[in-house]
Amino acid sequence: QSVLTQRPSASGTPGQRVTISCSGNNSNLGNNAVNWYQEVPGTAPKLVIHSNNQRPSGVPDRFSGSKSGTSATLAISGLQSEDEADYFCATWDDSVKGPVFGGGTKLTVL
Amino acid sequence: QMQLQESGPGLVKPSGTLSLTCAVSGGSITSSNWWSWVRRPPGKGLEWIGEVYHGGTTNYNPSLESRVIISVDRSKNQFSLNLTSVTAADTAVYYCAKEGRHLGESFFDCWGQGTLVTVSS
Repeated sequence: QSVLTQRPSASGTPGQRVTISCSGNNSNLGNNAVNWYQEVPGTAPKLVIHSNNQRPSGVPDRFSGSKSGTSATLAISGLQSEDEADYFCATWDDSVKGPVFGGGTKLTVL
Repeated sequence: QMQLQESGPGLVKPSGTLSLTCAVSGGSITSSNWWSWVRRPPGKGLEWIGEVYHGGTTNYNPSLESRVIISVDRSKNQFSLNLTSVTAADTAVYYCAKEGRHLGESFFDCWGQGTLVTVSS
């Protein structure tokens, strides 16, 4: 069982906007920034959003992030087939004194 | 572009020691402050194991601290994980990752692709 909670699956059609949520508590998301990673099976995870809403260089502006209280959301607009992957959230936890992760959401592009 | 590559035995016997190395290429291990190990047991979420500063200082997940040693070898541009007294519960895909920072917030901006380690006799 993961420290941060994510729905196991999400889906959308090409061109659609989808959102993936992540929830925690006051010792993690409530007090620290969220990061989002994209993982295609067999490849290295890739950072797509850091510090709640910052896109690393090379990540399309179709990806955006937000955080409010103990919840965070990753939004992907103009969905493309290449976006099909697992997405997981992560943040610092003041109790663990280290990063904690969500269980991941498998995004399917229909 | 920096790349990380995990290596080590894919099978470890129960009560033995799991040993993995992460080779850093495309940049120096001294270019980033912290280097981490993360794992994902089958069917479960990711778990942070611990981190090492390029100067040698370490921090560990309290749940694993008594069994973990993470070390760095600057001359070889790599860092390593040793996990002792392993059980089947330590079966997982193990990732190494590099820390990035932005205005005081940290994240992992480079990951290895992971290596499966199975604990079995």
